[in-house]
Amino acid sequence: QKEVEQDPGPLSVPEGAIVSLNCTYSNSAFQYFMWYRQYSRKGPELLMYTYSSGNKEDGRFTAQVDKSSKYISLFIRDSQPSDSATYLCFLTDSWGKLQFGAGTQVVVTP
Amino acid sequence: DGGITQSPKYLFRKEGQNVTLSCEQNLNHDAMYWYRQDPGQGLRLIYYSQIVNDFQKGDIAEGYSVSREKKESFPLTVTSAQKNPTAFYLCASTPKAADYGYTFGSGTRLTVV
Repeated sequence: QKEVEQDPGPLSVPEGAIVSLNCTYSNSAFQYFMWYRQYSRKGPELLMYTYSSGNKEDGRFTAQVDKSSKYISLFIRDSQPSDSATYLCFLTDSWGKLQFGAGTQVVVTP
Repeated sequence: DGGITQSPKYLFRKEGQNVTLSCEQNLNHDAMYWYRQDPGQGLRLIYYSQIVNDFQKGDIAEGYSVSREKKESFPLTVTSAQKNPTAFYLCASTPKAADYGYTFGSGTRLTVV
């Protein structure tokens, strides 16, 4: 079993809809949780990071962490065609061990 | 602007040839990393370096080599021993080891011809 599971998609939504992405993990040592966005043939870019359980909001993006369930989510409100990309979750523990999901491809159709 | 520069953007390698991918950062980050990305497999760690003149193997180091002679530079050589080198290669850095703020380069697409 992989330490981090992420549905590869593709996830297709109409413009303006809410995009809901998630990752599950098995190692309770993970403490930092990040979401990266990657456009085709580009490097990933950091969208959001959070340390504690709960919600963190930044514009149209909301990151949610539930450590008790080992479940993290990213919500994108009012989705735009420019949000079409692959979204990866990154998790690290206090020792710097990094694990990431395989990425979910999102397609926002006009 | 600070960031990571990878070059070239596209690279073609003949069978049996060694090639070197460049990664330069001006972020003053201590730690640097090389990842390989294949479709549907996500990122896999090749090598990482926490400090100058020191580096460790990642999960898939066979057929690759690196050096870290300068803080700013972490080149990756794909040797002829790497049997399936066609992939997208990403270089990343963090301010220090065991940090969470990864910055990625724009990647190099390597194709064997």
